[in-house]
Formats: sequence, C-alpha cells, structure tokens
Amino acid sequence: NAGVTQTPKFQVLKTGQSMTLQCAQDMNHNSMYWYRQDPGMGLRLIYYSASEGTTDKGEVPNGYNVSRLNKREFSLRLESAAPSQTSVYFCASSEVGSGNTIYFGEGSWLTVV
Amino acid sequence: DQQVKQNSPSLSVQEGRISILNCDYTNSMFDYFLWYKKYPAEGPTFLISISSIKDKNEDGRFTVFLNKSAKHLSLHIVPSQPGDSAVYFCAAGVGGSNYKLTFGKGTLLTVNP
Repeated sequence: NAGVTQTPKFQVLKTGQSMTLQCAQDMNHNSMYWYRQDPGMGLRLIYYSASEGTTDKGEVPNGYNVSRLNKREFSLRLESAAPSQTSVYFCASSEVGSGNTIYFGEGSWLTVV
Repeated sequence: DQQVKQNSPSLSVQEGRISILNCDYTNSMFDYFLWYKKYPAEGPTFLISISSIKDKNEDGRFTVFLNKSAKHLSLHIVPSQPGDSAVYFCAAGVGGSNYKLTFGKGTLLTVNP
C-alpha cells in the first residue's frame, strides 16, 4: 500500500547545482502537488497539476519547474539550487469527489550549501 | 497575506483533558476545511475534515467545529493522549477541478502524561 512515493529522501546540493525530485502515486488520482515546509512557515504550495497534461503555479514557484510525466508521476526540478531552497519537500495527490482529501508522501529533505 | 491562520504556535495539555486547536481564515470562497497531523520526519496525515454546509463533524475522539460567520474553525480532541503529541495543520480549499489546499503555519500540541 505505497500511496505517494518520493525520491530521494535526503539530498545535499551545492549552490548552482541542479536536481530533480521524483514523485509517483498509485491511487489513480488526477491531481498532484508539490509543497515545501519551512520552520514557522507551514506548508506552502509550489506547483500543482490538476490533471495529466496541465500544471499551474502555486504560492512559491520561483526557482522551480515541474513535469507531469503521466497520470502517476509528477517531478519537481531545481535548475540552479540556492540556499533559500533548503527545505523539506512534500509531494501529494488527490481525487475530486473523494472527500477532497489530499494525501502526502513522506517528504524529501534537501540541503543546499 | 495569510489566508489561513493558526495563531497559537504551541499548546500543552494534560493527558485525559481536552485539547482545542483553533484556526481562522479570510477567504470566504473556501468550502472545504481539513486538519492534518504531522509527526517529525513524516509526511502530514489526514485527520478530519468538514465542508462549509456543516458546522460540526465528529470522528471518534476528534471533532471539528466550523463557524462560517466568524470564519473560524476548531479541532477538539477528547480525551487527549500522549500519542496525540504532534504538529497540527489547519487547511482550507475551494472545491472544483483546480482544487488545492492552503495551510496554516501549524500548532505543536504536547500532551503530558
């Protein structure tokens, strides 16, 4: 019963490096999301994808790109990492009509030095 | 501009007593409200939700109350248990095809034995 799976779980990057966070869900959900959590800031939406083939900016999209590869997978890319992007990243998915619950993965801890 | 506010960063209660966590919102378009629980190093997990057509929803020890005129909701946990110690996030969303959740900053609940 995997739900939402994120990789990698931990990553250390140097400033200016690029990387991609991978996310896959096995619940056949249409909508997928990337959030970041910072101390004292709660969870903030970076990008979301309401359905396969569509993506939209959230509250804090600067410095990120996303790809909805297919219905199952939604990746988040940092093209040139900055220390301000040190955070915990959560992927999530939901299905309209299922109580509007959004289900989260376990998180990816990213440190940019 | 915070649309979902949790004004208490932390709350401490004794085991067996009631825990009351509060949340205020500013966007009158929100029609779904959810509470998530988060343990350290884990993803947020869904706890309970309420739609705007209701003013109360109960699930075991957890009850959520919604006061639309005051744009206020609260989560009651009775009786509180040490295992309830976690960060609780209030979240709100607008139903529809572009559904996404806006989160508060969270309240750290500590239940003392």
